[in-house]
Amino acid sequence: DAKTTQPNSMESNEEEPVHLPCNHSTISGTDYIHWYRQLPSQGPEYVIHGLTSNVNNRMASLAIAEDRKSSTLILHRATLRDAAVYYCILRALNQGGKLIFGQGTELSVKP
Amino acid sequence: EAQVTQNPRYLITVTGKKLTVTCSQNMNHEYMSWYRQDPGLGLRQIYYSMNVEVTDKGDVPEGYKVSRKEKRNFPLILESPSPNQTSLYFCASSLGVGGLYEQYFGPGTRLTVT
Repeated sequence: DAKTTQPNSMESNEEEPVHLPCNHSTISGTDYIHWYRQLPSQGPEYVIHGLTSNVNNRMASLAIAEDRKSSTLILHRATLRDAAVYYCILRALNQGGKLIFGQGTELSVKP
Repeated sequence: EAQVTQNPRYLITVTGKKLTVTCSQNMNHEYMSWYRQDPGLGLRQIYYSMNVEVTDKGDVPEGYKVSRKEKRNFPLILESPSPNQTSLYFCASSLGVGGLYEQYFGPGTRLTVT
């Protein structure tokens, strides 16, 4: 199973951008890069995903390196509600569709 | 509203007493899955289903059963629960199995087996 590496924790100030990095050096050509987050006492929530090109949606942006060995989740303006554990996950067709969750990055947001 | 629902949300039971945790989705998703979340171990997949009547084991299937008789429902059955199955359980669904599809998670069921 392809693995991802993320910092254990990061801190941000409210209203400022946040860049959450993820390394996935063993990614294969058909693996999609997914990001989920888990707020306290809730189920994981889908944030964004991509294959090769950068992606934007209403929640965040995903910047994917040209060699696909790393990616960055960008929250453009952090709010207190964005405090959560963020998981970077590679989803592959040949793994029964499962998401392999690592330890994630715990993001804290200071007012 | 598109959602995955689970019941019950909280359950305390005793060793050996059969229980079922229900999961239902209203998005007409083909793929459904169960995960358990434990401190220090993260989320691990228990079972998954790619379609009606098609189920398969995930990484930690021992002690669990599932069935998929209808597209919308995917119950998790513990025939003889043991204390090591005390955990937080999440059901998830997605339109398909490939990396193109995002998964939607239910709110979780906190199970305690004494």
